Amino acid sequence: AQSVAQPEDQVNVAEGNPLTVKCTYSVSGNPYLFWYVQYPNRGLQFLLKYITGDNLVKGSYGFEAEFNKSQTSFHLKKPSALVSDSALYFCAVRDSGSGTYKYIFGTGTRLKVLA
Amino acid sequence: EPEVTQTPSHQVTQMGQEVILRCVPISNHLYFYWYRQILGQKVEFLVSFYNNEISEKSEIFDDQFSVERPDGSNFTLKIRSTKLEDSAMYFCASILRNEQFFGPGTRLTVL
Repeated sequence: AQSVAQPEDQVNVAEGNPLTVKCTYSVSGNPYLFWYVQYPNRGLQFLLKYITGDNLVKGSYGFEAEFNKSQTSFHLKKPSALVSDSALYFCAVRDSGSGTYKYIFGTGTRLKVLA
Repeated sequence: EPEVTQTPSHQVTQMGQEVILRCVPISNHLYFYWYRQILGQKVEFLVSFYNNEISEKSEIFDDQFSVERPDGSNFTLKIRSTKLEDSAMYFCASILRNEQFFGPGTRLTVL
């Protein structure tokens, strides 16, 4: 069965420092991986995706993520955090081998960027 | 840029009442989804819909829930008899080329 784990409920980082939000996954086929951000009382905003190709994926607002097949990870990164990056971040996976198009979401990681 | 829209943005209802949440997916998309998020927690898959029928549903999607595409543009989620635990954000999504586009959500509050 497909699953996603976000091991950290919250990540605190100082403004200007690099940030990492962790995500690991488990699927039977090839993974399609996604990161979404959610601001308070708002919907899910797409950041980036990995379908195939380069393992390093660049997305919106300076975020990037690296697909690591051997570690089954897809960590979200940004070289220099902004206070405005503070939000709830969700990793999601779709299992290309499952015959389903549904996404499985992680439990979310709250990012706090401190000024 | 086309986007998924949802109405209403907030719905308050009494326990036991029926509610209909509405979504207008992006026009050339073919697969539609409903997800639920309880109070800033995990986003949970409810149901997927393709070619005017349910293609997959989760264990949450019991007999109290139904989906319809009544007129070729709207996509609705109906909860027949709401319970307190149905209070959540409900997100509609449509898919194109492996990417799901989410609507802004409807906050359902059951009193």
